[in-house]
Amino acid sequence: GDSVTQMEGPVTLSEEAFLTINCTYTATGYPSLFWYVQYPGEGLQLLLKATKADDKGSNKGFEATYRKETTSFHLEKGSVQVSDSAVYFCALTQGRGGADGLTFGKGTHLIIQP
Amino acid sequence: NAGVMQNPRHLVRRRGQEARLRCSPMKGHSHVYWYRQLPEEGLKFMVYLQKENIIDESGMPKERFSAEFPKEGPSILRIQQVVRGDSAAYFCASSPRDSTRETQYFGPGTRLLVL
Repeated sequence: GDSVTQMEGPVTLSEEAFLTINCTYTATGYPSLFWYVQYPGEGLQLLLKATKADDKGSNKGFEATYRKETTSFHLEKGSVQVSDSAVYFCALTQGRGGADGLTFGKGTHLIIQP
Repeated sequence: NAGVMQNPRHLVRRRGQEARLRCSPMKGHSHVYWYRQLPEEGLKFMVYLQKENIIDESGMPKERFSAEFPKEGPSILRIQQVVRGDSAAYFCASSPRDSTRETQYFGPGTRLLVL
């Protein structure tokens, strides 16, 4: 079946550091790929998405490129802020003939220190 | 424009009781998904519903769990005879129409604690 693998956390960085959170996937066909962010005590918010190979999703300074050849969708940000501290989830969906459930990675807890 | 609403936000039950979790999708959305998040884990898909239909329940436990999305009113996830292992955060998401590319919008979740 489909699966998503993320780097283990927590990841601790200083403010203004460069961020990379690795995400690789296993799936048949051509899934859509997503990054969601979860702040403490809240639900998930969509951060960015990409629906086909070589697409780049971007939002709030975060970027991720859909790499079919390496089955990856790594999340990057050039300069992180304390407010970026949260749990980040990589996810995919196949949608066989219609929208279906997302398959999530286990999440990466990001901690940004001032 | 209200987002996905879930209630209650927190629910405490004793072993053997029933838990009912409610989800109101975003306005105009007719597809609802339920996910469970165990401590220190990612979200696991449970069930996908459209109005009055269960489309995919491949992630639902075979016993004690059921879900519905009636023509009128919210979607309900029902857990009968709860056990401590059911303690988790349950999230609902909604999307507007059939599409592999459609984004799912998540509610704030219901945190269930079974004593």
